[in-house]
Amino acid sequence: QVQLQESGPGLVKPSETLSLTCSVSGDSVSSDFWNWIRQPAGKGLEWIGRMYASGSIDYNPSLKSRVTMSIDTSKNQFYLKLRSVTAADTAVYYCARADNWNDAFFDYWGQGTLVTVSS
Amino acid sequence: IQMTQSPSSLSASVGDRVTITCRATEPLITYLNWYQQKPGKAPKLLIYGASILQSGVPSRFSGSGSGTDFTLIINSLQPEDSATYFCQQSYSAPWTFGQGTKVEIK
Repeated sequence: QVQLQESGPGLVKPSETLSLTCSVSGDSVSSDFWNWIRQPAGKGLEWIGRMYASGSIDYNPSLKSRVTMSIDTSKNQFYLKLRSVTAADTAVYYCARADNWNDAFFDYWGQGTLVTVSS
Repeated sequence: IQMTQSPSSLSASVGDRVTITCRATEPLITYLNWYQQKPGKAPKLLIYGASILQSGVPSRFSGSGSGTDFTLIINSLQPEDSATYFCQQSYSAPWTFGQGTKVEIK
């Protein structure tokens, strides 16, 4: 069964870089399409970006200037970096799998990790 | 593409039929998905392609619609259905979600 697990610092200082890892089991990151999604407390969901192991990457234009996603097939992990964070980036961050590049719906999710931006 | 759900919240009794609507600012054909989220948990995929039930999801959940207007129906509401429900369009990236509908049990 497919499982995803986010990990990374729970507290990041303003202007610094948020770095998260998603570890995947039960599936290979060399196949399928891997996404990051976030959710500020009590609010809705915001899609951050997607990637495929072939190198295809696509970011939400609202975050594109600050986001980098990458993948390590040898570790079966993928990663998120968000630069120059502010309090507005405080949220629960989820990694999620999609079966398709287009028509992407998310059938497996990590449990989420809370990242707080504060000095 | 902006997604708008209504109502934002509702309260219903066990056994009731509950209807949640989702409207898009552009036609989606049937590229519309529904998720259920319980407090402190990740969203769970319920329906994709507007009307296709994800494996393992109870048949009391159903979806319909095309174009810009979509509906999620919960037939015979159960206590475990207390949650927030989100729609998500998968027609055009960036993928976007509705703001959510919170369903409470009376």
